[in-house]
Amino acid sequence: EIVMTQSPATLSVSPGERATLSCRASQSLGSNLAWYQQKPGQAPRLLIYDASTRATGIPARFSGSGSGTEFTLTISSLQSEDFAVYYCQQYNNWSTFGQGTRLEIK
Amino acid sequence: EVQLVESGGALVQPGGSLRLSCTASGFTFSDYEMNWVRQPPGKGPEWLSFITMSGRITYYADSVKGRFTISRANAENSMYLQMNNLRVEDTAVYYCATSGYGTGTLFDSWGQGTLVTVSS
Repeated sequence: EIVMTQSPATLSVSPGERATLSCRASQSLGSNLAWYQQKPGQAPRLLIYDASTRATGIPARFSGSGSGTEFTLTISSLQSEDFAVYYCQQYNNWSTFGQGTRLEIK
Repeated sequence: EVQLVESGGALVQPGGSLRLSCTASGFTFSDYEMNWVRQPPGKGPEWLSFITMSGRITYYADSVKGRFTISRANAENSMYLQMNNLRVEDTAVYYCATSGYGTGTLFDSWGQGTLVTVSS
């Protein structure tokens, strides 16, 4: 099983600032990596797939980068609605998710 | 607009059975591969099972293989998850999700989830 490790577990950032979230895979994924956003009481929402492609309707302030085993989600100029939990997910070999990064208001 | 609605979640004793349903609307259900994904309280999501458009081919995570069965009825725009021999560790919110962008286990649209609690 491919293990996904996210860091940090919690990230405190002020509105308007940039947030950078990291995800590491235990083996190479190529670009088969997605990012999801989850707010309390809601299902996860697909943000990024193929490591860097925004899903339909996702604002341009969300961007993804990386390949192989190291990936990054960057949110430029944080809005109030962006404070949530973010999960990375590999779909190179079925699917596994990371444990999540909680993005909180500083 | 894509809409997925799960139902059937309940409190069940260890060793018991439950059948979850997922009803789809707003898109051509038979054109989409589908998945079940669960999320234990306070933890990340876990993929459980995948089914092709026709329903002829299915795959399962090792954690549920032999205990859970996925199926679909395209004429009814519905998918199901039969869960047998339930364990305490199966306690979670269960979601159905479409496969997106031509990739089986990339989860494009999700339902709101249904809660399954396994406890004596």
